[in-house]
Amino acid sequence: EVQLVESGGGLVKPGGSLRLSCAASKFTFSSYSMNWVRQAPGKGLEWVSSISTSSGYIYYGDSVKGRFTISRDNSKNSLYLQMNSLRAEDTAVYYCARERVTVSGTKVFDIWGQGTKVTVSS
Amino acid sequence: DIQMTQSPSSLSASVGDRVTITCRASQSISTFLNWYRQKPGKAPEVLIFSASSLQSGVPSRFSGTGSGTDFTLTISSLQPEDFATYYCHQTYDTPYSFGQGTKLGIK
Repeated sequence: EVQLVESGGGLVKPGGSLRLSCAASKFTFSSYSMNWVRQAPGKGLEWVSSISTSSGYIYYGDSVKGRFTISRDNSKNSLYLQMNSLRAEDTAVYYCARERVTVSGTKVFDIWGQGTKVTVSS
Repeated sequence: DIQMTQSPSSLSASVGDRVTITCRASQSISTFLNWYRQKPGKAPEVLIFSASSLQSGVPSRFSGTGSGTDFTLTISSLQPEDFATYYCHQTYDTPYSFGQGTKLGIK
């Protein structure tokens, strides 16, 4: 079964750092762009960051730009999110999602992990 | 940045009802529009991609229409598992963005 499994979440103090991981299985990881999406408690979905297949194109949402770094290791079928200078408003469930390009050229997040919870609190 | 606005934010319906949710983009996004359903405590799952294409394995009671700035998701006959939150999502340009969600509850 095609699968994404996130790990690395936890409780961290404001100003601290955390590194999330997303392990991919049963598909050719290196052929897909990947994304991180987060969801604060009781809130909607917020796109965080995107990375292309060979890491040549990387994008961030304004709320995390300069603090978060997305990366990938295609040899390990893994996606990462390094989160620094964490704030209370970064508290959320973080999902990794596969980005599929459709036959018409559009893009869709077709596979999602189960999420990992990050809590930023003193 | 492209803003996505869904309406309504919430609605109540009964099993068997026909329901329509709308999504408006702040600028034209062609058909770079997807719809997801999220059940409580679970990850989102894609229902519709490219505005009107049904994702493999998704029941045919789900359909999507629209292009440019205005889009709709229709559920033709609500089933118990459809009481959830629905999000539209644009992938026309980064930063990608989601609508604020539509919570579908049981009447």
